[in-house]
Amino acid sequence: GQQVMQIPQYQHVQEGEDFTTYCNSSTTLSNIQWYKQRPGGHPVFLIQLVKSGEVKKQKRLTFQFGEAKKNSSLHITATQTTDVGTYFCAGRVGTGANNLFFGTGTRLTVIP
Amino acid sequence: DSGVTQTPKHLITATGQRVTLRCSPRSGDLSVYWYQQSLDQGLQFLIHYYNGEERAKGNILERFSAQQFPDLHSELNLSSLELGDSALYFCASRPGQTDSPLHFGNGTRLTVT
Repeated sequence: GQQVMQIPQYQHVQEGEDFTTYCNSSTTLSNIQWYKQRPGGHPVFLIQLVKSGEVKKQKRLTFQFGEAKKNSSLHITATQTTDVGTYFCAGRVGTGANNLFFGTGTRLTVIP
Repeated sequence: DSGVTQTPKHLITATGQRVTLRCSPRSGDLSVYWYQQSLDQGLQFLIHYYNGEERAKGNILERFSAQQFPDLHSELNLSSLELGDSALYFCASRPGQTDSPLHFGNGTRLTVT
């Protein structure tokens, strides 16, 4: 079954508002990756977090990995219409496993 | 362009039929992953191959099978198709078994009527 959950499933924001999606795993993750899928497109890698408590920034995007390595978040400051899409987290569960489990995704709609 | 090629882009077939989806990974990538994405759903992991060998299985039905050939391209075979199999099927590749990013193809959209 699904081991990585994301909330919310959908989010509508006015352009300029902030947005956050949360990723939660039932087990400790070796690392976590974030992907963005534009409407009609394929997932595209954004970033990878490896260390407990790690924080990384990409322009208006801030990614965090929880201290227990069971949760992560993506925060977008001052959303733009180009931020529209579905954001997925993906975690490697367990040591030695090579399969990457994707979260359920958060679909972001930005209203101009 | 991710460098991962999937064919065909679209496939329409009837229930009970069998189809084959093809994936050519990025040059040099040994790992190939298959994912299923149903309408408005997340990415369900199906299967992972590394250098021709199956390495992990996810929620893959017994009616589905896959293989990776010596030239590293992979095929996903779906048989006895049902309406519920209609989905977008993505292939993704990465260099090895490390935690490098996945590079996705554009997907094959399968419609079962």
